[in-house]
Amino acid sequence: DTGVSQDPRHKITKRGQNVTFRCDPISEHNRLYWYRQTLGQGPEFLTYFQNEAQLEKSRLLSDRFSAERPKGSFSTLEIQRTEQGDSAMYLCASSPPRRQGEAYGYTFGSGTRLTVV
Amino acid sequence: RKEVEQDPGPFNVPEGATVAFNCTYSNSASQSFFWYRQDCRKEPKLLMSVYSSGNEDGRFTAQLNRASQYISLLIRDSKLSDSATYLCVVNIVWGDKVIFGPGTSLSVIP
Repeated sequence: DTGVSQDPRHKITKRGQNVTFRCDPISEHNRLYWYRQTLGQGPEFLTYFQNEAQLEKSRLLSDRFSAERPKGSFSTLEIQRTEQGDSAMYLCASSPPRRQGEAYGYTFGSGTRLTVV
Repeated sequence: RKEVEQDPGPFNVPEGATVAFNCTYSNSASQSFFWYRQDCRKEPKLLMSVYSSGNEDGRFTAQLNRASQYISLLIRDSKLSDSATYLCVVNIVWGDKVIFGPGTSLSVIP
């Protein structure tokens, strides 16, 4: 499978619990992005990595959220002390190294749907 | 003002109709533009990039007007399988993150 893989596909957790999601990007892609999407809205940017460096974090990413990409390959997104408002689809995307003047779209994984009860 | 805005929709059109979606973006320095398609409860998938000269891919035509900060997507001869949400996407800094619009829902009716 050469696409972006996310695990798990679905997660139901109780409020206050910690959850961790994993994303495996396309192997030759050096950039990895996390987005969150709620019903009826477009995906909202959370953070992104170039190789292992986390280059930007959104204001949406509160202190309870942390993302890592330790070896520049897969990434994890952890949410601590989950709240009902964290319920959403968490999408991971990756893109290849950029060449000036070329516009690349992202390839998204199937997402992890989180439900906090 | 949101960074990327789209027609709120939903659009309900008969098969064979032509439908146009509009999108505006707020940052005049934006570099790259895309249309993504998202089926219900699925991930977004790239439909097409949008180039300054306009571009066409089969029944789909995308236009960009940098002066007006406006992007459009035209779908001709709509098919039932075109039913989806269409997301306007803007890349402000080349190589950086992209910003999604809220999406416009299309239902093509037999």
